[in-house]
Amino acid sequence: NAGVMQNPRHLVRRRGQEARLRCSPMKGHSHVYWYRQLPEEGLKFMVYLQKENIIDESGMPKERFSAEFPKEGPSILRIQQVVRGDSAAYFCASSDQSGSMVEQYFGPGTRLTVT
Amino acid sequence: ILNVEQSPQSLHVQEGDSTNFTCSFPSSNFYALHWYRWETAKSPEALFVMTLNGDEKKKGRISATLNTKEGYSYLYIKGSQPEDSATYLCASLLSGGYQKVTFGTGTKLQVIP
Repeated sequence: NAGVMQNPRHLVRRRGQEARLRCSPMKGHSHVYWYRQLPEEGLKFMVYLQKENIIDESGMPKERFSAEFPKEGPSILRIQQVVRGDSAAYFCASSDQSGSMVEQYFGPGTRLTVT
Repeated sequence: ILNVEQSPQSLHVQEGDSTNFTCSFPSSNFYALHWYRWETAKSPEALFVMTLNGDEKKKGRISATLNTKEGYSYLYIKGSQPEDSATYLCASLLSGGYQKVTFGTGTKLQVIP
């Protein structure tokens, strides 16, 4: 059973370009969470999605950032018109259900560098 | 406490020493506390999930305690080994927050052989 997959692992974009980060949850998992780790900072919650639904996007900047988790295919975090401040590691995690006792399984992360 | 705070930020111990570090979290609306172990260049890996005041969990040489009334959890490592070197993250969930977790910034542990 493959773990959570993220691609690409490293992404370099110039200012103003778009970045698309993909996350394939573990098999059987229908809950996906995106986190961002800025340099020298901890993990910050961005968005929580279930299949075809955004449950909580309170941690995601309102402009330029969007996320989706379609019925088929991976979850995608999209950053439009990237700026240098978007340079960070973006992690996704998945779980098979919601609830306080449910563990989240993390992917290896995508390191975005904006030049 | 409004945020999840961890201390110390980093720690160096000799192989064989026991060590512990702290996670402080908001005690109101507490729902659950998670501990993760995060090795360099890998993904965070879940260690413990704790919900009950006074709970104590153990996995090998690592154990954790929880005090929900005062809002803190301790993680203990007995007889540290070089392979314990990692960043240890705690994350709290508040009631009504389904799976929205708030992470601390972690304690980076380096075990010196």
